[in-house]
Amino acid sequence: SQQGEEDPQALSIQEGENATMNCSYKTSINNLQWYRQNSGRGLVHLILIRSNEREKHSGRLRVTLDTSKKSSSLLITASRAADTASYFCATGPEGSNYKLTFGKGTLLTVNP
Amino acid sequence: SQTIHQWPATLVQPVGSPLSLECTVEGTSNPNLYWYRQAAGRGLQLLFYSVGIGQISSEVPQNLSASRPQDRQFILSSKKLLLSDSGFYLCAWSVLQGSDQPQHFGDGTRLSIL
Repeated sequence: SQQGEEDPQALSIQEGENATMNCSYKTSINNLQWYRQNSGRGLVHLILIRSNEREKHSGRLRVTLDTSKKSSSLLITASRAADTASYFCATGPEGSNYKLTFGKGTLLTVNP
Repeated sequence: SQTIHQWPATLVQPVGSPLSLECTVEGTSNPNLYWYRQAAGRGLQLLFYSVGIGQISSEVPQNLSASRPQDRQFILSSKKLLLSDSGFYLCAWSVLQGSDQPQHFGDGTRLSIL
């Protein structure tokens, strides 16, 4: 079953702008991860945030987690054409010690 | 450094034919291994999970099976492919068991069933 749902499904911005993608989930989680997928390639892990954390940074990435709203956001600042990819959130549900449940992804296009 | 290889990159098979997709990991021992399927415009569906040689957990009953004959080798198989088996198959590994572990993906196999 689908746990995380990303929003929007597609996002098109100009280079230099910020991109914000959201993820909502339904059940309680232990942690949430964000991944990037370039067209026709495998997924690349970006960042993990645990349920007791509210915000995390990694380079130009900023992730927030609001467990009361069951939602997370991924902000990419000063976007580049190379950031063009699909972005997925993956949740680790409470009670599962290994399984990640992936959303359908947001397709981000950064125009030069 | 660790690397993961999947082959073939693309495959076109007729309905009813058998399937064997291979995934190998280098540079680590006793990885946790995963097979996912990604349908167009959808997220990833976990198919199989393995914590060690010969240990396979199936997530979704289906026409596919998985085997782990060696520590760093994970194989996805089918005896008779269905049209619905078309998709993008991804293998992944993680160092430790746990949903808080980053998973590292291969570049996938694009499978088309005719």
